[in-house]
Parts: sequence; C-alpha cells; structure tokens
Amino acid sequence: KAGVTQTPRYLIKTRGQQVTLSCSPISGHRSVSWYQQTPGQGLQFLFEYFSETQRNKGNFPGRFSGRQFSNSRSEMNVSTLELGDSALYLCASSLVVREDTEAFFGQGTRLTVV
Amino acid sequence: TQLLEQSPQFLSIQEGENLTVYCNSSSVFSSLQWYRQEPGEGPVLLVTVVTGGEVKKLKRLTFQFGDARKDSSLHITAAQPGDTGLYLCAGGEHSWGKLQFGAGTQVVVTP
Repeated sequence: KAGVTQTPRYLIKTRGQQVTLSCSPISGHRSVSWYQQTPGQGLQFLFEYFSETQRNKGNFPGRFSGRQFSNSRSEMNVSTLELGDSALYLCASSLVVREDTEAFFGQGTRLTVV
Repeated sequence: TQLLEQSPQFLSIQEGENLTVYCNSSSVFSSLQWYRQEPGEGPVLLVTVVTGGEVKKLKRLTFQFGDARKDSSLHITAAQPGDTGLYLCAGGEHSWGKLQFGAGTQVVVTP
C-alpha cells in the first residue's frame, strides 16, 4: 500500500512569505501529526489532527497552523516566514489512537527560508 | 515538559561490534518508541514498548523498557553497515498523537 506522501519535497521561500505543506496519510488512517526537525532542536511536535479536529498542539507561535480534510489529508501553513523556520517538516499518520499504534512518517518537506 | 535524553550523541564502531544506545527521562511515559532515520528520509518505527520491564527483540536489535517506564535502551549485536542511521527514542503520552522525541544518537558502522 502507498505510504505517507508529503508534497512538495523541497521548498525555498523568502522571509515574510507564507507556505503551505501537504500530507496525504496512508489510506484508512485518520490521525495525522506534524513535526519540525532541525539540527539544533531535533524533532518537535507541532500539532495533531484526528477526524478533522485538532486534538493536540505543540509550543509553536500562531504563525504555524494546520487543518485536516474529510478525506484525512492534512495541510500545514506557516505565515510570515522567518529564517529560523528553515527545517524538515515531517508528517506522521496512524490508523487508530492508541499509545502502541505504529506511526508512519512521510519523507518530509525540506523548507529553506532565505 | 517531559524531556528525553539520549546517550551517546554519536557512536562510530566497526562492523561486528556491539553497541547500546540509552534513552532516559525523569518522567513516566505510557509508551516508548524507537525509530531509525536515514538522511533525507522520515523516521521508521522499529519497536514500541509499553510495559515496564518489557524486552523486545527484532533480529539483532534488543529493546528494553525500564521497570519504572522512565528509561529504555537499544542494543545492537554484531552491527552491520546497514545499521548506520540516526536512532531516535520517543515517548508517548496518553494521547497517541503527541510524541516527545529525544535528540537522537547518530550511529555509524564502518566495514
């Protein structure tokens, strides 16, 4: 079966612009989480959606937002980009909501802000 | 905030040697997961442990969850170059969707 698909794979934006990243979970998976990965901070949780509702949110400013559609696809948006937003953005999907449920990650979107 | 500390940060060994990576926290997690990430890819789940004292084996990899569910270790026997990667531990809270990740251990296995 197809894995988690993130688009685009690479993106270069200018400071002050906004960006939208997309994540298509594995078919049948209803939970989608987003993470930011940087060399200095590692993997940090952004937010999680389940059945179109945001259930958890990490400690990121309001410039970071997301949503989930009825087909479980998710998007995240970053407005007023800053140089520090340069990172690998990862999306993970899961079939059910349990602590021991396997999480499948996409390949990520590499965002560079110049 | 629950913090996960991994040690060592970097490990370079020869093929055939054994290695152990540690993941420690001052907090209790409902579950702990180990991932391996290769350059340009997303993390791939290796194992999930949920019971204190639990030991799981995956071929040459042995995972242990501490009795108090605050720490874990990953042991690789007879490492191979294919084991090279960034090993990440992640703690799960009662709501699955939010995982707390450690900083990772970069493992390099040379032939």
